[in-house]
Amino acid sequence: GAVVSQHPSRVICKSGTSVKIECRSLDFQATTMFWYRQFPKQSLMLMATSNEGSKATYEQGVEKDKFLINHASLTLSTLTVTSAHPEDSSFYICSANKVGGSYNEQFFGPGTRLTVL
Amino acid sequence: AQSVTQLGSHVSVSEGALVLLRCNYSSSVPPYLFWYVQYPNQGLQLLLKYTTGATLVKGINGFEAEFKKSETSFHLTKPSAHMSDAAEYFCAVSLKAAGNKLTFGGGTRVLVKP
Repeated sequence: GAVVSQHPSRVICKSGTSVKIECRSLDFQATTMFWYRQFPKQSLMLMATSNEGSKATYEQGVEKDKFLINHASLTLSTLTVTSAHPEDSSFYICSANKVGGSYNEQFFGPGTRLTVL
Repeated sequence: AQSVTQLGSHVSVSEGALVLLRCNYSSSVPPYLFWYVQYPNQGLQLLLKYTTGATLVKGINGFEAEFKKSETSFHLTKPSAHMSDAAEYFCAVSLKAAGNKLTFGGGTRVLVKP
């Protein structure tokens, strides 16, 4: 195994509301989880690196107060998009490194498509 | 800092023909190199990776890639395309010193013609 799930797979929300996306490692423990966003027909851009029990490390240009990341356990990380606006509409993908596994391999979730109206 | 360039955002091949996707990287030290495939509205699946050792790497679904340090390249090939190979392909690099963060190329969309 090495299965990563994301919930929800799709979400539509109104502008100004907050949306939480969950990323779970189903059959392994994850030392580190990563959050990416992907705009249509574009590549993945790393938003932040999340380590269990510590603060996330955000990439340059990513607003930490807008994209809240919580990594409460070795199997769960959450991304909350606060006060979402239409420009936040995107495909959000998480990945996870396996505890005790090859440190250079990330296992990806299926993605969450966020549409902000 | 590392970077990845994929030549050709779209590639069209006939079923049964060779698939060749080009990837060049820039890095101050030898990186780890990856190829991922993404089907519509899905996450990424690892095709193959190079870390150390043999420079010709075989992956799933009949794909392989060769690490050429002198050319800073990691091109992906498959001898005979199948219809099921139609997807988006991403080359990526990571450095242990950079916390194992992946840097992706722009992606190449493969269309397979019957």
